[in-house]
Amino acid sequence: DGGITQSPKYLFRKEGQNVTLSCEQNLNHDAMYWYRQDPGQGLRLIYYSQIVNDFQKGDIAEGYSVSREKKESFPLTVTSAQKNPTAFYLCASSRTGTTSHNEQFFGPGTRLTVL
Amino acid sequence: AQSVAQPEDQVNVAEGNPLTVKCTYSVSGNPYLFWYVQYPNRGLQFLLKYITGDNLVKGSYGFEAEFNKSQTSFHLKKPSALVSDSALYFCAVRDKYGGSQGNLIFGKGTKLSVKP
Repeated sequence: DGGITQSPKYLFRKEGQNVTLSCEQNLNHDAMYWYRQDPGQGLRLIYYSQIVNDFQKGDIAEGYSVSREKKESFPLTVTSAQKNPTAFYLCASSRTGTTSHNEQFFGPGTRLTVL
Repeated sequence: AQSVAQPEDQVNVAEGNPLTVKCTYSVSGNPYLFWYVQYPNRGLQFLLKYITGDNLVKGSYGFEAEFNKSQTSFHLKKPSALVSDSALYFCAVRDKYGGSQGNLIFGKGTKLSVKP
């Protein structure tokens, strides 16, 4: 099956810890994205990458970091600097980058809870 | 600034009746418009998109949407609702000429509830 996988499905973090969320795609897509979803706020863009070894900040990048060493993988690290990290995190990919009409395909999400 | 508005937090429809989920947008140029659906604790699924051409776009699961440039709207419609259509629906817009760095701007979502 082609698609996007995210792991883990649920993640619990203690305050002060960094955690890394995994996102893998086998769709051969160039572009990948990370969104944060909070109730009643829709999706907000954290980071995006249009090509391997390159990525840009989205609207709410503070307290997060990413890497794009392989085309298939775009892990997101939630650092201790992120003051309110409890949310549902969604990874997405699309065939080409931001100035195209290609739709994004989404993974199943990771629900992060800070204890 | 680019923006998308979904004016209704929730829409309630009886099964078998037609449904409409509203979306209006604001971009500086011509838009690409998208509808996605999200079931509880799942990712978003693509339903349909408007790029250019025919203002009526047909998508998955019997959904369609009408692009209205003068009203800057892209309402999602279905002639006969099913209980299984109950979900959260998101409208999104991208500026064709790369405004907002070309990123998708999402509305806040509309919860559709279809009762038997």
